[in-house]
Amino acid sequence: EAGVAQSPRYKIIEKRQSVAFWCNPISGHATLYWYQQILGQGPKLLIQFQNNGVVDDSQLPKDRFSAERLKGVDSTLKIQPAKLEDSAVYLCASSLTHGQVGTQYFGPGTRLLVL
Amino acid sequence: SQQGEEDPQALSIQEGENATMNCSYKTSINNLQWYRQNSGRGLVHLILIRSNEREKHSGRLRVTLDTSKKSSSLLITASRAADTASYFCATDARGNAGKSTFGDGTTLTVKP
Repeated sequence: EAGVAQSPRYKIIEKRQSVAFWCNPISGHATLYWYQQILGQGPKLLIQFQNNGVVDDSQLPKDRFSAERLKGVDSTLKIQPAKLEDSAVYLCASSLTHGQVGTQYFGPGTRLLVL
Repeated sequence: SQQGEEDPQALSIQEGENATMNCSYKTSINNLQWYRQNSGRGLVHLILIRSNEREKHSGRLRVTLDTSKKSSSLLITASRAADTASYFCATDARGNAGKSTFGDGTTLTVKP
């Protein structure tokens, strides 16, 4: 079974530029999560999708971050414009179940550095 | 604020020793999960324990859950150098189904 795919693996941009990350979850997984992980901290949930609908985006900085999951499969996370404090690893995860949290399967992450 | 908090922040042991790390949380939960993260990699799910369970085993891993103290522990027996990683607990709070909240992790170093 293929795992969660993310691209790119690394990205370096200057502040005020835009950046987009892509995630392809495990086939058949209805729930998709985007997390932000700052160095030395645990993952912080940014947004959670159930199929192509948003379940939770309470911690997404909506003035600069946006995410979509078209057709309930792939998802993109965008930052526009980026700030220095957005430097972090962005993790995508998917799970089969919703309601009661099931096992989350994580991708390798995208490491973002904002200069 | 973080729902789960791991303790200690860092732990260094010799190969063959046991490693114990703890997780405390604030609100009632449906379940608690432990994940491992190797440096520069994504998280890997280790074990899930439900609120009505007290102990679970998986290979060299043993997880306990004490809902009265709102705490969990992860024991790794006979540690190996390959166990070197960060370990996170994630809680699924009751009434917040479908959302996991992670702590900041325990960094475990196993010296050969």
